[in-house]
Amino acid sequence: DAGITQSPRHKVTETGTPVTLRCHQTENHRYMYWYRQDPGHGLRLIHYSYGVKDTDKGEVSDGYSVSRSKTEDFLLTLESATSSQTSVYFCAISESDREGKLFFGSGTQLSVL
Amino acid sequence: AQSVTQLGSHVSVSEGALVLLRCNYSSSVPPYLFWYVQYPNQGLQLLLKYTSAATLVKGINGFEAEFKKSETSFHLTKPSAHMSDAAEYFCAVRARDDKIIFGKGTRLHILP
Repeated sequence: DAGITQSPRHKVTETGTPVTLRCHQTENHRYMYWYRQDPGHGLRLIHYSYGVKDTDKGEVSDGYSVSRSKTEDFLLTLESATSSQTSVYFCAISESDREGKLFFGSGTQLSVL
Repeated sequence: AQSVTQLGSHVSVSEGALVLLRCNYSSSVPPYLFWYVQYPNQGLQLLLKYTSAATLVKGINGFEAEFKKSETSFHLTKPSAHMSDAAEYFCAVRARDDKIIFGKGTRLHILP
């Protein structure tokens, strides 16, 4: 398995609280992505990064922010969690943005009550 | 905009039977297409990818997919299903901005 670690694996929080999810990689890949997976929607891209301090929005970025201060770490923050953000969050990495070969972490199950 | 449509959110086949999972794409340029598989409680992993080198693409675990431009399809097949194939399968396309866009997924059930 590619060296991708997501933490925490499970999180239960209350509406209105801030939440930060962490993705850590040991592969030194340039590109990192955050997806959310919801029944009936497949995977949808939240934010991605193409280098340290270089990030951009995906298709469902509202309510989320990201930071990448080091190659190996990509943080996803929910500034004020809402119930609609209850989901499974996946981090992915890739060496090239053109090849399409993504390596995924094991996911974080987030429940916002 | 590039997109993929997977036909059938659930597919059931008997063990030993043919597996056919359908994917149609929308793209104004030659597409890069992918199939990913997700086993329970795991992340996705790449099964195979089409990058215009050959229309029939072989992947891992005996799966293959055929690119048919005339039908805008990239269906995934396996001649003989095994219980271990039970999983969710995602078709995906590389968009103009090089991001990977996923379909909604098809859950494959294998009947004993």
